[in-house]
Amino acid sequence: NAGVTQTPKFQVLKTGQSMTLQCAQDMNHEYMSWYRQDPGMGLRLIHYSVGAGITDQGEVPNGYNVSRSTTEDFPLRLLSAAPSQTSVYFCASKGDNYGYTFGSGTRLTVV
Amino acid sequence: AQSVTQLGSHVSVSEGALVLLRCNYSSSVPPYLFWYVQYPNQGLQLLLKYTSAATLVKGINGFEAEFKKSETSFHLTKPSAHMSDAAEYFCAPEDNFNKFYFGSGTKLNVKP
Repeated sequence: NAGVTQTPKFQVLKTGQSMTLQCAQDMNHEYMSWYRQDPGMGLRLIHYSVGAGITDQGEVPNGYNVSRSTTEDFPLRLLSAAPSQTSVYFCASKGDNYGYTFGSGTRLTVV
Repeated sequence: AQSVTQLGSHVSVSEGALVLLRCNYSSSVPPYLFWYVQYPNQGLQLLLKYTSAATLVKGINGFEAEFKKSETSFHLTKPSAHMSDAAEYFCAPEDNFNKFYFGSGTKLNVKP
């Protein structure tokens, strides 16, 4: 049982480039979300999804897009990377039981 | 929306000493409260959860937390710190819409 898998683990982008952070879970969880973690700011919700075909914005959605075509996958797209998007990104999923299962994170640097 | 305050961004204790990490939530009682732990360069792991069944909640690794409605608190404690407890700890209420609101985190340092 792999849980929540995030790829890549590390990425360096140039300002203006686009990329997709991948997230997949094999627990048949309906609820998935993306967080970014910055020093001293805890985790902030970017986007979330309550099921396939349904997504919504969190606290800090600007500059990011998501889609949820299947229950398993929830990719996060950076449209035009900016240095302010340098962060650690976590994907998480939640089933009927309480609490999230987190991926191991993607460390993104935008130069 | 829920909000949460974790008092003290860094806490340092000696090995064997009591660990107390503070968490206060906003005045509206959340349906669920969680503590998560994050070890260096890893994702977050669920430590314990409050779901109104009992005010004192026991979690993994000897940690426990007590929900106190009158104080709007959900402090995390462990009687005796171990070196392996060094990590960052996050308090997180969850609302009725599956949204979590993470605190800013408290880094626990354990001195030998």
